[in-house]
Amino acid sequence: GENVEQHPSTLSVQEGDSAVIKCTYSDSASNYFPWYKQELGKRPQLIIDIRSNVGEKKDQRIAVTLNKTAKHFSLHITETQPEDSAVYFCAASPNTGNQFYFGTGTSLTVIP
Amino acid sequence: DAGVTQSPTHLIKTRGQHVTLRCSPISGHKSVSWYQQVLGQGPQFIFQYYEKEERGRGNFPDRFSARQFPNYSSELNVNALLLGDSALYLCASSLGQVEKLFFGSGTQLSVL
Repeated sequence: GENVEQHPSTLSVQEGDSAVIKCTYSDSASNYFPWYKQELGKRPQLIIDIRSNVGEKKDQRIAVTLNKTAKHFSLHITETQPEDSAVYFCAASPNTGNQFYFGTGTSLTVIP
Repeated sequence: DAGVTQSPTHLIKTRGQHVTLRCSPISGHKSVSWYQQVLGQGPQFIFQYYEKEERGRGNFPDRFSARQFPNYSSELNVNALLLGDSALYLCASSLGQVEKLFFGSGTQLSVL
């Protein structure tokens, strides 16, 4: 089955700096890669996603890049704000169904 | 917003007991998936149901079962509870079988 690895497990940045979280996947059949933000005690919320026919996608301060050949994808957050502090999960899903394989999460702390 | 709703929010059970968790998807969503999230880890796929049929099953024992009703709501049942079943159980819904997942707030299950 699919195996998703996520790094780093914790990340601290100064407010205004950029944050980058990286994930790798093993199954070349995976073609949908969402990113979720989970605040303490709350539900995971979809923040951005990318499909395998696209190399990069941007939504305001958040961007995701995908390298299909290397089987890795990354989340980029620019101009970080304290409210960006949360746990971020990457996931991969094959097109055969909605079985998502999640990474182990990155705890992001933005220091004011 | 009328998002995914789960009940109960918290539950305490003892080993060997049985538990039923409930989920109502976003209106119009026909697919429901169940995930188990252990503290400090990413969600792990348990089941997916689409149009009332099981479309995927994760690596969980037969003690775990689920079903989807004609109104697309769903139940997750766990028999013979073990201490290791203590986790946050997340339900997610999507429009179709291969679509963006929207999570509920989860049921926190504690097995004593």
